[in-house]
This record gives sequence, C-alpha cells and structure tokens, in this order.
Amino acid sequence: QSVLTQPRSASGTPGQRVTISCSGSNSNIGSNTVNWYQQFPGTAPKLLLYTTNQRPSGVPDRFSGSKSGTSASLAISGLQSEDEANYYCSSWDGSLNGPVFGGGTKLTVL
Amino acid sequence: EVQLLEFGGGLVQPGKSLRLSCAASGFTFSTYAMSWVRQAPGKGPEWVSSIMGSGESPFYADSVKGRFTISRDNSKNTLFLQMNNLRAEDTAVFYCAKGYGSGRSPFDSWGQGTLVTVSS
Repeated sequence: QSVLTQPRSASGTPGQRVTISCSGSNSNIGSNTVNWYQQFPGTAPKLLLYTTNQRPSGVPDRFSGSKSGTSASLAISGLQSEDEANYYCSSWDGSLNGPVFGGGTKLTVL
Repeated sequence: EVQLLEFGGGLVQPGKSLRLSCAASGFTFSTYAMSWVRQAPGKGPEWVSSIMGSGESPFYADSVKGRFTISRDNSKNTLFLQMNNLRAEDTAVFYCAKGYGSGRSPFDSWGQGTLVTVSS
C-alpha cells in the first residue's frame, strides 16, 4: 500500500467546498512540504499545488492546500464539474530518500 | 512549452531487459533534475528514480535499486532508464517527469507515459 493515506473517494455538488485529506508520518509530511497532483483518466498527472499551498501558473485559486503536523489537506471551493478527477498527495520522505505518494482520491461531482 | 516524450515500452518476459527513453524540449534540459515515475493499473504513482542536471547523484527507490539505471545525455536532451531483471510487479505506465519530487523541485511537467508489461 501507499506510504501516504488518502480516502479512496470524495464527492460534492457544484458550488460546494470539498476537502481531501492526506495522512503521513514524521519522516514525510511531518518534516517536509506537500505537493498535490490532479489526474484525469487516461492522462498523466498534473501538478496542482507545490510546497503545500503554492499554485503553478494556470491553476485557479479555487484550489488551496494546508498542512498540520503529519497531515495535509487539499480544499476545492466553488466545485465545478471539470474538477472530477483523481487527486494524489506527495511529500519528500527523509527516511526513504525520495518522494512518496498517496493512493489517490477519486473526486465525483454529483 | 515543455514537452516530454517517452519511448521504449512494450511487452517483455520476466527476467529480461528494456530501455526507456524520454526526449525533452522547451526548457534548458541540462539545468534540471529529471525523474521516472511509474503507475501500476488502478494504483497511485510511485517514484522510481531521479538524476540531477549534471548527471551526477542518481538515486533510486528501494524496489528497483540494483536492477534499474537512470542516465541522461544532455547533448541530446534525452533521459534514459535501463531496466534489467524485470518482474511482473514492474508492470506499469512509466512517466518521465521534470524535477525530483521535493517541494522545491516538484514534478512540474510529465510525459504522456509508456506502458511496460512484464509477462510470460
């Protein structure tokens, strides 16, 4: 199983705010920042947030991130149908000397 | 615009070898760390290996250490992954990614991926 733990699924209605959690340990999230990736079926992952809460150019400010202790969260406000995708958290792991990922959360827009 | 194009995937028998290539364009290739990340069907991504811009200091996930070798040719803007002694559990889509996955160097661009299937 994955080093970081995410809920397998999440859902919301258009316009709602949803959050996706990501749980790790002291060797990863507890001592490093978190990156989030968005992936649509059949395509490559795309960087959504880096260093916990920074958005690459082109990512709407509806997407935000936070971290507390060994857990992190991705929040999506003003949910839109095009946000339906899989979301993965990732963090550097100092014990493994490499980045680790969560198993992913499938977001459904009802 | 950053472009990453992977080549070399396919069906291979257990114990055999395969070499993946990734052609990069749209950025100064030699100044960036590059990585391979794989994703088994229905699973989350798994980091495989990274190499710094100079070609020094490659590092590997424990699951591939001793079997896979990452390298790069900065004169041809190309990244490679030599995979030896392949196992069924190596079956995945392999992505070439720019960066090495930390907060300061996230995987900010990805190729389209190439499928590696290890089966007899």
